[in-house]
Amino acid sequence: DADVTQTPRNRITKTGKRIMLECSQTKGHDRMYWYRQDPGLGLRLIYYSFDVKDINKGEISDGYSVSRQAQAKFSLSLESAIPNQTALYFCATSDLSGGINNEQFFGPGTRLTVL
Amino acid sequence: KQEVTQIPAALSVPEGENLVLNCSFTDSAIYNLQWFRQDPGKGLTSLLLIQSSQREQTSGRLNASLDKSSGRSTLYIAASQPGDSATYLCAVRPRAGGSYIPTFGRGTSLIVHP
Repeated sequence: DADVTQTPRNRITKTGKRIMLECSQTKGHDRMYWYRQDPGLGLRLIYYSFDVKDINKGEISDGYSVSRQAQAKFSLSLESAIPNQTALYFCATSDLSGGINNEQFFGPGTRLTVL
Repeated sequence: KQEVTQIPAALSVPEGENLVLNCSFTDSAIYNLQWFRQDPGKGLTSLLLIQSSQREQTSGRLNASLDKSSGRSTLYIAASQPGDSATYLCAVRPRAGGSYIPTFGRGTSLIVHP
């Protein structure tokens, strides 16, 4: 089984709809991240969480919100989706700073299309 | 602000060639550097992680080197195969500030043709 899973894997929605993307991990990592990837722009950080009670904005948090329901679960919400939020979304995890490696592990991605 | 550049953006080589992918970064105060592979429409797979105190890491046909003083890392792929075709990204994790949030390059798209 994959260490980092994302649901759904693909989603097509309409402008104005509320969308939730979910991420679960079995790696036991405290740190979780949400990124979006757009052609030509690379990976951009939306939000990150160092533990259940810690949520931080990334470089492009406008239009998004997150919830860290448990150590293993981190969800991303688009309250009112717009077409320029069409992208590939990735969840990632890493261990604590100062941990063994701080190596980052990625989920398989969610392809979101907003019409 | 850390900036990470990967050159070339795209590369096409015949099977069997040895090749080098480059990753440059502007701030040498790094914690570690990680190389990833990404197949089209897929997630990122970690290839190699080099700690700031290390000079290189090897895994099979892959060798990654790190030169902090010059702000460079290279990923060497020996005897390339069509299955190596993918986008390769590097990510640099800062030492300062304690957040350890990585900065990603935009990747090198590699095609290895038979």
